[in-house]
Amino acid sequence: AQTVTQSQPEMSVQEAETVTLSCTYDTSESNYYLFWYKQPPSRQMILVIRQEAYKQQNATENRFSVNFQKAAKSFSLKISDSQLGDTAMYFCALLTGTASKLTFGTGTRLQVTL
Amino acid sequence: ETGVTQTPRHLVMGMTNKKSLKCEQHLGHNAMYWYKQSAKKPLELMFVYNFKEQTENNSVPSRFSPECPNSSHLFLHLHTLQPEDSALYLCASSPRQSGNQPQHFGDGTRLSIL
Repeated sequence: AQTVTQSQPEMSVQEAETVTLSCTYDTSESNYYLFWYKQPPSRQMILVIRQEAYKQQNATENRFSVNFQKAAKSFSLKISDSQLGDTAMYFCALLTGTASKLTFGTGTRLQVTL
Repeated sequence: ETGVTQTPRHLVMGMTNKKSLKCEQHLGHNAMYWYKQSAKKPLELMFVYNFKEQTENNSVPSRFSPECPNSSHLFLHLHTLQPEDSALYLCASSPRQSGNQPQHFGDGTRLSIL
């Protein structure tokens, strides 16, 4: 079975600052993919960034980057130069090859303040 | 334009009513998904269709009945629901069920059971 744990229910960051959201996961499979999704108040779940487990290099997407620690099964999201539009729920998700199921964490609510 | 459109956006119904949720995707994908999102809980996968065939029923009560007439459309028929079924129902699609492609989500239908 796959599990995804997000231990920070809520976080706050000031505009232009950097924030890191934590995620740990567990799976017995060697082939899997990790995602961070953002869900703003508009409710649409938007893909922020993805990481293939077989890649050692951390994924980056503009102001968003991940710290993927495979041995520790950790997949944190770093948001640099935070903007008001980054205010949203952030979900970490795990996709395993054989199960082809996307397992989500409980989410972290991020508030960006002035 | 999200590529995945869900209607209605909001739905209030009594426990004895029958209603349907609709999902349409314009991305040329072949896999479609229904998720239930309740407060403080991870997204729960309900059903998966791959090339119009149901491949996953995650122990969903029979009062929820999915239908996938083609790869672009997915319905969730509802009847005699319970108050605990109040939630946000999200539809998603991906190129196919297996593989590493992320799922694209709609805006969801907020369902309230009176």
